[in-house]
Amino acid sequence: GAGVSQSPRYKVAKRGQDVALRCDPISGHVSLFWYQQALGQGPEFLTYFQNEAQLDKSGLPSDRFFAERPEGSVSTLKIQRTQQEDSAVYLCASSLRRGGNTGELFFGEGSRLTVL
Amino acid sequence: SQQGEEDPQALSIQEGENATMNCSYKTSINNLQWYRQNSGRGLVHLILIRSNEREKHSGRLRVTLDTSKKSSSLLITASRAADTASYFCATVDAQAGTALIFGKGTTLSVSS
Repeated sequence: GAGVSQSPRYKVAKRGQDVALRCDPISGHVSLFWYQQALGQGPEFLTYFQNEAQLDKSGLPSDRFFAERPEGSVSTLKIQRTQQEDSAVYLCASSLRRGGNTGELFFGEGSRLTVL
Repeated sequence: SQQGEEDPQALSIQEGENATMNCSYKTSINNLQWYRQNSGRGLVHLILIRSNEREKHSGRLRVTLDTSKKSSSLLITASRAADTASYFCATVDAQAGTALIFGKGTTLSVSS
């Protein structure tokens, strides 16, 4: 596709539900990042993939958060037993280059999660 | 954790005026990037400045970098209502980082 695509754009979950957020990066992009953005804040790093390898998951806030990119393209961020503090916009970004000095990141529009 | 801190947090100006936003960061870096985010949208890359550069221009944007002070500034000249957005600086820790770390952003409002 022309850009990074994320789905769903909006998700409302009841506390305790599991959710899965999908990211379809730009074709051929090696690096894929997930960020969490609370209202009025900057994006906070969650995790980084280089192809199918998850090289950095230091930003995942708890073991309820899990991400995968099994074939090195589409990625899924899964949140188990959602809690109200998980309410945020989840942004996916991809880059042609490997992590570290990735240069420009291309972002999707984000998935807004609201946990009731 | 956030690497960069933008200043001011919010800025309101009239069309045609210049807007200056500042960013401070904490670690050694290889480059610094600025991004823009319209309300409810994803981030869009504006400009990248390398650590060995002091100033860079792109259209109405001018970015400076002072590695000795660990700071950068973004100047938008002759602002337009369409420039209304949040602006973020972002860096990668040259020693240990793998991912861009963003500041909290400056919210710019340009009124016509």
